[in-house]
Amino acid sequence: DAGVIQSPRHEVTEMGQEVTLRCKPISGHNSLFWYRQTMMRGLELLIYFNNNVPIDDSGMPEDRFSAKMPNASFSTLKIQPSEPRDSAVYFCASSRGGTGELFFGEGSRLTVL
Amino acid sequence: AQSVTQPDIHITVSEGASLELRCNYSYGATPYLFWYVQSPGQGLQLLLKYFSGDTLVQGIKGFEAEFKRSQSSFNLRKPSVHWSDAAEYFCAVGDTGTASKLTFGTGTRLQVTL
Repeated sequence: DAGVIQSPRHEVTEMGQEVTLRCKPISGHNSLFWYRQTMMRGLELLIYFNNNVPIDDSGMPEDRFSAKMPNASFSTLKIQPSEPRDSAVYFCASSRGGTGELFFGEGSRLTVL
Repeated sequence: AQSVTQPDIHITVSEGASLELRCNYSYGATPYLFWYVQSPGQGLQLLLKYFSGDTLVQGIKGFEAEFKRSQSSFNLRKPSVHWSDAAEYFCAVGDTGTASKLTFGTGTRLQVTL
């Protein structure tokens, strides 16, 4: 079975540009999570969806960040405009709700120059 | 608010030696507890989890963890470490309202010497 698929794996962009990260969760999973990982702050939960509905976005750092889940098989995390401090690895994870077992993608490494 | 503390940033053990990684949590009720492992350049993979019942839980790759309520701890152990166990290990606590909303510790990087 395919795991969680994220794209792009690597993104290098300049400050001020729009960045869109994409995620395809595992089929049948009804919860989807976006995490950010940095050396300084570790793993931070940005937002999670249950049945395509955003449940908790309290971790989204500011209005420059937005996330959508238009259907059960696709989600995006958008940063507009991007800043150097947004440089991090962004992980998408999915799960069957309530199990606590998150399946992570391989991450999207973002570098903002 | 729930939180997790992993006091050891980096641990080095010899192959074949035993391992214990420490994890302390803060949560108002009985927590849901997890250990995940991350290999370089990869996402996290679940090793084991505790929801209720037997306080000693077994996981994949020969790992186990023991929930000790009195100490607010959930330490990860392995009797004999293999070189392939070198990775970063994360303890996490889940909200009992929705077990999937996890708060992760800062991680412990394990180095295995041959």
